[in-house]
Amino acid sequence: EVQLVESGGGLAQPGGSLTLSCAGPGLALTHAMNWVRQAPGKRLLWISSISADGVRTYHADSVKGRFTVSRDNSKNTLFLQMNNLRPEDTAIYYCARFSDCGGDCPSDLWGQGTLVTVSS
Amino acid sequence: ENVLTQSPGTLSLSPGERATLSCRASQSVTRNNLAWYQHKPGQAPRLLIYSAFIRATGIPDRFSGSGSGTDFTLTISRLEPEDFAVYYCQQYGNTKTFGQGTKVEIK
Repeated sequence: EVQLVESGGGLAQPGGSLTLSCAGPGLALTHAMNWVRQAPGKRLLWISSISADGVRTYHADSVKGRFTVSRDNSKNTLFLQMNNLRPEDTAIYYCARFSDCGGDCPSDLWGQGTLVTVSS
Repeated sequence: ENVLTQSPGTLSLSPGERATLSCRASQSVTRNNLAWYQHKPGQAPRLLIYSAFIRATGIPDRFSGSGSGTDFTLTISRLEPEDFAVYYCQQYGNTKTFGQGTKVEIK
């Protein structure tokens, strides 16, 4: 079954940094991609998107200036650099692929998520 | 921000029964860019429906979506054991927001 795999989650201290990665074993990541997170007891929240060529990036206001999405298409890998982490960033982080629908598209392939815990 | 409100919070049904899930938006959803996802604990979310009513690839026809503007519905005609999960709606316009989810549990 084709799926995405996230890695890099774990425990970080407030003010610390983590870098998440996302890859699709056997899958070429040629679509626009996004990161979505779910804090405990909360709804899913879109946080970052990146175009297929990596030129255009978008971030939710809650993470703007602290998180940076990027990709290495030669390695079929998506990244999320998270700096100045806060306790409220504690969540399961999912990477997801936008479908190729032209324009605004839903996410048609997701990973199982990686847990990020921010605590002292 | 277009806030999506799903109801009910929990739906307790038996296999074979019909499930009707609602998603209401605080503003009209642009071009009916509304999707439904199924999510089971520890698994990847799965796209079921997009553009309000189009089934994603490989999704059984017991799943159907309807609605437009601000009111949308996901219907599961006859629940199979594997359908018990949490379902989220999402509007995927310029800003991408999700509903809070409806849990479909076994009665």
